[in-house]
Amino acid sequence: NAGVTQTPKFQVLKTGQSMTLQCAQDMNHNSMYWYRQDPGMGLRLIYYSASEGTTDKGEVPNGYNVSRLNKREFSLRLESAAPSQTSVYFCASSEQQPQHFGDGTRLSIL
Amino acid sequence: AQSVTQPDIHITVSEGASLELRCNYSYGATPYLFWYVQSPGQGLQLLLKYFSGDTLVQGIKGFEAEFKRSQSSFNLRKPSVHWSDAAEYFCAVGQNSGNTPLVFGKGTRLSVIA
Repeated sequence: NAGVTQTPKFQVLKTGQSMTLQCAQDMNHNSMYWYRQDPGMGLRLIYYSASEGTTDKGEVPNGYNVSRLNKREFSLRLESAAPSQTSVYFCASSEQQPQHFGDGTRLSIL
Repeated sequence: AQSVTQPDIHITVSEGASLELRCNYSYGATPYLFWYVQSPGQGLQLLLKYFSGDTLVQGIKGFEAEFKRSQSSFNLRKPSVHWSDAAEYFCAVGQNSGNTPLVFGKGTRLSVIA
């Protein structure tokens, strides 16, 4: 019953370091999404992948890159971390609606 | 563009009292509507969804929501709140076609007092 698995669960980085957040789903879903959650802001879409081989920008893509490695995996990369990227990151997947969410990665940039 | 407004940032209710969390959306056609709940330090759990049909939808944990097209609203209700309902609640809207990203409201934090 894994669903959507995110790794790591917690991470602390220094400004300028790079980091890849991993996401994998075992539900054979075509679509996957990355959101960030900040206090008082709800969830905002960073990037999504409607199907294997495609990716599209969301509302807040700056400073991030994504890779849809295969149907199961969708990674989010911070090339040069900035304090403004301190957030909780959620990955989700869907095959039609609704979306299923992972437990999140709590990322702090010092 | 789609948008979701949750007017109440924080609500406090007494255990056993009724609850209504407000959600208004902006969308050009009939949307897909969702309520998710997030306990502290946890991910998002789907409470209920509306796609079409009966405008009163039942969800898990005794929650229900009513879609009112004329008011562009999808308010969440529960007749009797339990202490374990304390959490943050998010309303979200999506397009009624295929796999598209959701647009979330900013959330309403629910506190329950004895």
